[in-house]
Amino acid sequence: EAGVAQSPRYKIIEKRQSVAFWCNPISGHATLYWYQQILGQGPKLLIQFQNNGVVDDSQLPKDRFSAERLKGVDSTLKIQPAKLEDSAVYLCASSLAIGTSANEQYFGPGTRLTVT
Amino acid sequence: AQSVTQPDIHITVSEGASLELRCNYSYGATPYLFWYVQSPGQGLQLLLKYFSGDTLVQGIKGFEAEFKRSQSSFNLRKPSVHWSDAAEYFCAVGLMEYGNKLVFGAGTILRVKS
Repeated sequence: EAGVAQSPRYKIIEKRQSVAFWCNPISGHATLYWYQQILGQGPKLLIQFQNNGVVDDSQLPKDRFSAERLKGVDSTLKIQPAKLEDSAVYLCASSLAIGTSANEQYFGPGTRLTVT
Repeated sequence: AQSVTQPDIHITVSEGASLELRCNYSYGATPYLFWYVQSPGQGLQLLLKYFSGDTLVQGIKGFEAEFKRSQSSFNLRKPSVHWSDAAEYFCAVGLMEYGNKLVFGAGTILRVKS
């Protein structure tokens, strides 16, 4: 079974530029998560989708971050304009569905963003 | 507010020695608890999880964890550490009423010396 795919793996941009990350979840997984992991910290949830609907985006900085999952499969996370403090690893995860006791999130390898 | 505390930022153990990584959580309801491992440049891999039932759970790679409700703890253990276990370990609590959202601790970096 293929895992969660993310691209690119690394990205370096200057502040005020824009950047986009792509995630393709495990086939059949209805729920998709984007996490931000700043160096020295644990991952923090940015946004969660159930199919193509947003379940939780309470910690997404909506003035600069946006995300979509138009067809309920793959997803794109965008930052525009980027700030220095956005330097982090962006992790995508997927799970079968919400509310099942067997729910387990499977993580992709992440995209390491450096903003200079 | 829900939170997870991993008191040890770094731990160094000798190969073959036993290991215990501490995790304490703050959560009002019955928690779903997880331990993940992250090797450099890799994503997170699930080691084990606790949902209910037996408070001692077994995971992959010889790891186990014990849920202690009275201490709000979910410590990870391994009887004999291998050099390949060197990585960063994250404890997380799953918030079922918030769509299974995971709240992570800050992580513990494990170093293994030969």
